[in-house]
Amino acid sequence: KAGVTQTPRYLIKTRGQQVTLSCSPISGHRSVSWYQQTPGQGLQFLFEYFSETQRNKGNFPGRFSGRQFSNSRSEMNVSTLELGDSALYLCASSLEGEETQYFGPGTRLLVL
Amino acid sequence: SQQGEEDPQALSIQEGENATMNCSYKTSINNLQWYRQNSGRGLVHLILIRSNEREKHSGRLRVTLDTSKKSSSLLITASRAADTASYFCATYPGFQKLVFGTGTRLLVSP
Repeated sequence: KAGVTQTPRYLIKTRGQQVTLSCSPISGHRSVSWYQQTPGQGLQFLFEYFSETQRNKGNFPGRFSGRQFSNSRSEMNVSTLELGDSALYLCASSLEGEETQYFGPGTRLLVL
Repeated sequence: SQQGEEDPQALSIQEGENATMNCSYKTSINNLQWYRQNSGRGLVHLILIRSNEREKHSGRLRVTLDTSKKSSSLLITASRAADTASYFCATYPGFQKLVFGTGTRLLVSP
């Protein structure tokens, strides 16, 4: 099976812009979670989607949003980018009820 | 903020030596997992230990869990240069959410 894929791998944006990141889960995985990794805050949970519904959300401002499509692919959007949004954004998928998560390679976002 | 704290923050050893990393967490858990991350890439799941287990082995990995002390340790035996990576513990309180520790950077020199 193909692993979790994320596009794009690298992205440079300027403050105030918005960005959309994409994640394709492992085939058959219907749960998709997103995490932000920064040197200062480490790995932090953003949100989780299952069957096109957001089931769980981390402690991030409303500028961070996401959605999931009927094929389980997921996108996350960050509006009005700030310098502090520079991070590695990781997507992970899992089977329903499975506690192990399978991570993609991440999208590295740089906000200038 | 992160739930887990890992110790040490960085560890440098020679090939063939053992590496031990410790993780402490704050709340009750369903299970605790260890992940590896190479050079800022995606995380790879290593091992999961449930709250009712005390020790688990997988190849060169040995994980212990002490729920009374809210702590876990990961032992990598006979380390190789390819084990150079960052290692994170992650607690699973439920709801498809992992709460990660601060991580240990392991450097294994040939």
